[in-house]
Amino acid sequence: AQSVSQHNHHVILSEAASLELGCNYSYGGTVNLFWYVQYPGQHLQLLLKYFSGDPLVKGIKGFEAEFIKSKFSFNLRKPSVQWSDTAEYFCAAGSGGGADGLTFGKGTHLIIQP
Amino acid sequence: GAVVSQHPSWVICKSGTSVKIECRSLDFQATTMFWYRQFPKQSLMLMATSNEGSKATYEQGVEKDKFLINHASLTLSTLTVTSAHPEDSSFYICSARSPAGGIQYFGAGTRLSVL
Repeated sequence: AQSVSQHNHHVILSEAASLELGCNYSYGGTVNLFWYVQYPGQHLQLLLKYFSGDPLVKGIKGFEAEFIKSKFSFNLRKPSVQWSDTAEYFCAAGSGGGADGLTFGKGTHLIIQP
Repeated sequence: GAVVSQHPSWVICKSGTSVKIECRSLDFQATTMFWYRQFPKQSLMLMATSNEGSKATYEQGVEKDKFLINHASLTLSTLTVTSAHPEDSSFYICSARSPAGGIQYFGAGTRLSVL
C-alpha cells in the first residue's frame, strides 16, 4: 500500500536556525514527490517537487529537498528559517505522470520563534 | 500562479440536507480534478478522482452515492454531500491537475458543519 510518513509532527525553532523535516515514502513504481506548505488560513501551496533527474531540488523561499532512493526519503531543508516560515508542511507522493491523486503525510506543524 | 477557486468556504447545514461544493480551475483547463477530505489535525485523504466527461473514481471506503461528483466542464467539478450527517462534518479540499507538468493546484477548502 502507498504511504507517506513524516517523522516530526511539531517542530519549534528559533529564527536563523537550520531546518530539516523528514519524509519517507512507500510507493510502487515510479514516484513523484512533493512538499506543500499551508500558511494559517490559506490554501496549500507547492514548495517544490521531484519527478526525475537531479535528486537535489530547489523550491521557493529558499527551501530544498533531497531525494534519496535507497532510503525512500525526501527530506525538506532550509539553512536559515524566518518567522514567516511558521506553517504546516506536508510531504506527498504520487504516481509517475501525475495522473493519480496524492498520498499525503500527516504534516509537520512548524513554529518559528522570533 | 495557477488558481483554483472553491466555493463556499464555509457551510452549515441541517442533518439530512444536501450540500454542493464547487471547484473551479481559473487559469487552465483541467481534465482531472481531485477531492480530498481533511480531519482536524490530520492529513488530507484522497476521496475521489474527477475526470471531465466521465464517472468519478472513488477511493476504497468512500461511498459514491453519498459523495456525488460531477465534472461537467474542463473548469468545474462539483462535490455534493447527500443527506449529510454530523459525521460528514469536515474540511473538503479540491485540486486541479495542470496539463502542463502534472502538478496539482489546490483550492482553499470548504469547511462543512452538519448540525
